[in-house]
Formats: sequence, structure tokens, C-alpha cells
Amino acid sequence: GAGVSQSPSNKVTEKGKDVELRCDPISGHTALYWYRQSLGQGLEFLIYFQGNSAPDKSGLPSDRFSAERTGGSVSTLTIQRTQQEDSAVYLCASRRQGDNSPLHFGNGTRLTVT
Amino acid sequence: GENVEQHPSTLSVQEGDSAVIKCTYSDSASNYFPWYKQELGKGPQLIIDIRSNVGEKKDQRIAVTLNKTAKHFSLHITETQPEDSAVYFCAVSWGNYKLSFGAGTTVTVRA
Repeated sequence: GAGVSQSPSNKVTEKGKDVELRCDPISGHTALYWYRQSLGQGLEFLIYFQGNSAPDKSGLPSDRFSAERTGGSVSTLTIQRTQQEDSAVYLCASRRQGDNSPLHFGNGTRLTVT
Repeated sequence: GENVEQHPSTLSVQEGDSAVIKCTYSDSASNYFPWYKQELGKGPQLIIDIRSNVGEKKDQRIAVTLNKTAKHFSLHITETQPEDSAVYFCAVSWGNYKLSFGAGTTVTVRA
């Protein structure tokens, strides 16, 4: 079946511009996560959604970062006034529910801020 | 939060040999331990997972062992092949939804 889909796969933007990254989770998955992966690094948790609500936003690096989820499905991560340190791969993942069911990742959006 | 340590950070093995990666964790209440494989330009892919009610799980050339008392678990890859070259991440569940990841192991299989 269809996996987690992210778009765009690559995004190059100028410093100071806003960007929106999109995630389409696996159908029926109520839990959705965003992670950030800097070059050669591990996975940094950003935010967790259960349905449309985000009970855990503790990983968002600054108030320039925000995310929403609508219809219990698609999620958008928005970065305002991008900085060079925002350059990374942004990964979205979903799972059937928020407990110990397998977590499935998309292929990420590689963001480059010039 | 959950502290997950993964060793080694890099591993080079001869094709056909075995590879072992070990992770330790701190929360004794954790009960779900997945392993992910990440190839260049792709997202992490789940390759095997284990729950705390079992001590070992095997899927073809891949196996995971869990020692809950010592709070560590390991990934074993036997008869390694070039396509096993990738970055491997362990992860540990904690709380109702959290999943903490190790820092990753870069595995290189030499032909």
C-alpha cells in the first residue's frame, strides 16, 4: 500500500523566506510526527500530532516553526523567516496510534537555505 | 526523557561476516524497541522490532535480542551483503507515544 508521502522532496530557499513542507501520512494512521535530521546526524523530534491536535510541540526549535494537521490526515510544517541553520532533512512519520505500533517514515524534504 | 546510547558509531565488515550493533536505554518501563535502516537519500525504514515480552526475534538474516534486566538490546546481521551497507538506528518507546532514537551506526560491507 501507499506509504508516507512528503513534498517537495527538495527545497532551496533564500534566507528570510517562509517555507511550507507537506506530509501525507498512511491512511488511517492517527499519530503523526515530524523529525529533523541534520547532515550525518540522528533524528531530532520536533512535534507530535494525535488526530488534529498537537499535545507535544516541545521539539520545535523556535517560534518560527509551526505545524498543523487537518482532517486527521495531511500535515504542514511551516518555517518562517528561514535561517541557514534550518538547512536539514525534515522527516515525517506516522503510526496507527500513539503507542507501540510501528512508525513509518517518509523520504523527507531536504531543505537548503542559501 | 529516555536516553538511548548506540555503539559503535561506525562498523566495517567483510562481506559474509556478521555485524552487531548494541543499544542501551534508561527507562525500565520502555517496552517497544524497533530498528531502522536508512539508505542515502531515503527515510528510515523499519527492519525489525521487538516487544518486551520476548527476548529474541529473527527475520531471515536479521535478529534482535533484548535484555530487559540490563536494559540493552542488539541488532545482529548475519552473512552480510553489500546491500546491507547503510545507517542503522535503534529506538526505544517511552511515555504513551514518545520514541527516542540512538545516534546511528554507519555500516559498510566490504566486498
